[in-house]
Amino acid sequence: GAVVSQHPSRVICKSGTSVKIECRSLDFQATTMFWYRQFPKQSLMLMATSNEGSKATYEQGVEKDKFLINHASLTLSTLTVTSAHPEDSSFYICSASPSIQLNNSPLHFGNGTRLTVT
Amino acid sequence: AQSVTQLGSHVSVSEGALVLLRCNYSSSVPPYLFWYVQYPNQGLQLLLKYTTGATLVKGINGFEAEFKKSETSFHLTKPSAHMSDAAEYFCAVLSGGYNKLIFGAGTRLAVHP
Repeated sequence: GAVVSQHPSRVICKSGTSVKIECRSLDFQATTMFWYRQFPKQSLMLMATSNEGSKATYEQGVEKDKFLINHASLTLSTLTVTSAHPEDSSFYICSASPSIQLNNSPLHFGNGTRLTVT
Repeated sequence: AQSVTQLGSHVSVSEGALVLLRCNYSSSVPPYLFWYVQYPNQGLQLLLKYTTGATLVKGINGFEAEFKKSETSFHLTKPSAHMSDAAEYFCAVLSGGYNKLIFGAGTRLAVHP
């Protein structure tokens, strides 16, 4: 079946550095990718939606200059956390769909990335 | 606006007992509803989804959910809990434009011997 690969699964970085998380669709073309953030024991909060070849659409309250999203190809989207701080420590999850419309198209999730900023 | 409310952040059942996880939704358009399961430090796995048609939806691992429009509910059930069912469960609904997935707060299911 369709698989979304997210890398790395865990990353530890020092405060002030940047870290990049990759999300790849392995056997389908991901027209749309989503990035979520999940705090411990909480739900998934949508950060942004990215469509291949266009700028990401960020949810209200999400700093676009801090969380840089690139969706340069139909199989890869990246999330870069710039100048990371300890409060950015969280579980980041991506999902991908072959279509912009999700009512008739599957949505596949990556296994998440645990980011710890020290 | 679309939203889902999951009643009960924690549910605890005995192994072999009925599992009932509650979800109520609000939607201004015909709803598309989902249940996902998340194991620790992992992504989400789709259990089942309601699109249109049959209101009783069967999913993986013996789970099923019934769409009740009159009650705006989509509760998840399983007749007999296994220890391996212990996880976090999320109910979700598509947004009005059907281009985003909106999650509930989640319910943590504990299964004890």
